[in-house]
Amino acid sequence: DVKVTQSSRYLVKRTGEKVFLECVQDMDHENMFWYRQDPGLGLRLIYFSYDVKMKEKGDIPEGYSVSREKKERFSLILESASTNQTSMYLCASSPRLGGSYNEQFFGPGTRLTVL
Amino acid sequence: GDSVTQMEGPVTLSEEAFLTINCTYTATGYPSLFWYVQYPGEGLQLLLKATKADDKGSNKGFEATYRKETTSFHLEKGSVQVSDSAVYFCALSEDQKVTFGTGTKLQVIP
Repeated sequence: DVKVTQSSRYLVKRTGEKVFLECVQDMDHENMFWYRQDPGLGLRLIYFSYDVKMKEKGDIPEGYSVSREKKERFSLILESASTNQTSMYLCASSPRLGGSYNEQFFGPGTRLTVL
Repeated sequence: GDSVTQMEGPVTLSEEAFLTINCTYTATGYPSLFWYVQYPGEGLQLLLKATKADDKGSNKGFEATYRKETTSFHLEKGSVQVSDSAVYFCALSEDQKVTFGTGTKLQVIP
């Protein structure tokens, strides 16, 4: 059974703290993604990675960075957390396929609150 | 760029009612289309998909048909159950990336 796991379901941090969100997939997928989900805004792509050590900015990368040192692991880093980064963070992975068909597999999400 | 527009929620239905959630898209090429579902407290999971025009995706009683002429992919179910209460996301995929709609919350009451 395919699986994407995220390190925490709930996280509370203080403004200015450095925050690490970890995501691991066991499907040997090439592609990995970080989204944030906010009411009324749906899912917005923060960063994605097509391969180890590769990263690409998504639609809202400001205030975030990522790291992909191993194929199965994709980390999202908030260098200095701010209250407007309070959100649900979703990690996803997908295989690299030809054409446009590209189902993504999601983790359960991390609900981050920044005080 | 690509975009997905889906109907605003929340949608409240009685059990056994007919469901339609509208979805239209804008894309530069020939995308694949998806419906994802998010149950409370969980991540998204794929509900159904269609990869080319006139394809019909179906799963768990839900159906959607890829309509290229109207750029639509409306989700339907003939008889909803309380267990279908969730948030539904329409999405399209081009070039390894997925663009999501804003989601439609469905509440089914007994």
